[in-house]
Amino acid sequence: RKEVEQDPGPFNVPEGATVAFNCTYSNSASQSFFWYRQDCRKEPKLLMSVYSSGNEDGRFTAQLNRASQYISLLIRDSKLSDSATYLCVVKRPSTSGTYKYIFGTGTRLKVLA
Amino acid sequence: NAGVTQTPKFQVLKTGQSMTLQCAQDMNHEYMSWYRQDPGMGLRLIHYSVGAGITDQGEVPNGYNVSRSTTEDFPLRLLSAAPSQTSVYFCASRQTGAGTSRNTGDYNEQFFGPGTRLTVL
Repeated sequence: RKEVEQDPGPFNVPEGATVAFNCTYSNSASQSFFWYRQDCRKEPKLLMSVYSSGNEDGRFTAQLNRASQYISLLIRDSKLSDSATYLCVVKRPSTSGTYKYIFGTGTRLKVLA
Repeated sequence: NAGVTQTPKFQVLKTGQSMTLQCAQDMNHEYMSWYRQDPGMGLRLIHYSVGAGITDQGEVPNGYNVSRSTTEDFPLRLLSAAPSQTSVYFCASRQTGAGTSRNTGDYNEQFFGPGTRLTVL
């Protein structure tokens, strides 16, 4: 079982739709959480961090449930430009005393005109 | 700021050849790392460095070497390329720090280079 799991999709949604992605993590020592966006054949870029109380950035809302060890990302009013792969990322202590960023395999979103 | 730069963008090697993937950042980040991305696997950490002169292994270090002589540069060397090393390689950098505040440490953004697509025949 992967330490960070995501539904790979693809999620095909019409423009204007609301879509939600979930991500689960298995290591209870996980400390910080992020959603990254990766366009086709490009590098990942930070979309938003996920704070304990949940947070919103425009059409994007991120939630964290530490008890159930999952993170969610909600995209409202989807745009064509939202088409990408969304990576769930978890930061936790490593055995060497530093921190590791563990990446999920990503969820593909395609927004259709 | 150029951010994180990588060269080359594409490379084809024959089995057994060696080469160096270059990575540089101009953000004065202490932490730099190399990942490989393969279909269905997510990004996996190859090697990382917490500062000049300090490197350590990630989860898939075999067949790769790194060094960190300056804060800016973190090259990745393939010693004897194998087809299993066909992948997309990303270099990343970030601030270090392990604070508990929202504004420090815990939420350090990783900045990625544009990637190197490597094919080993």
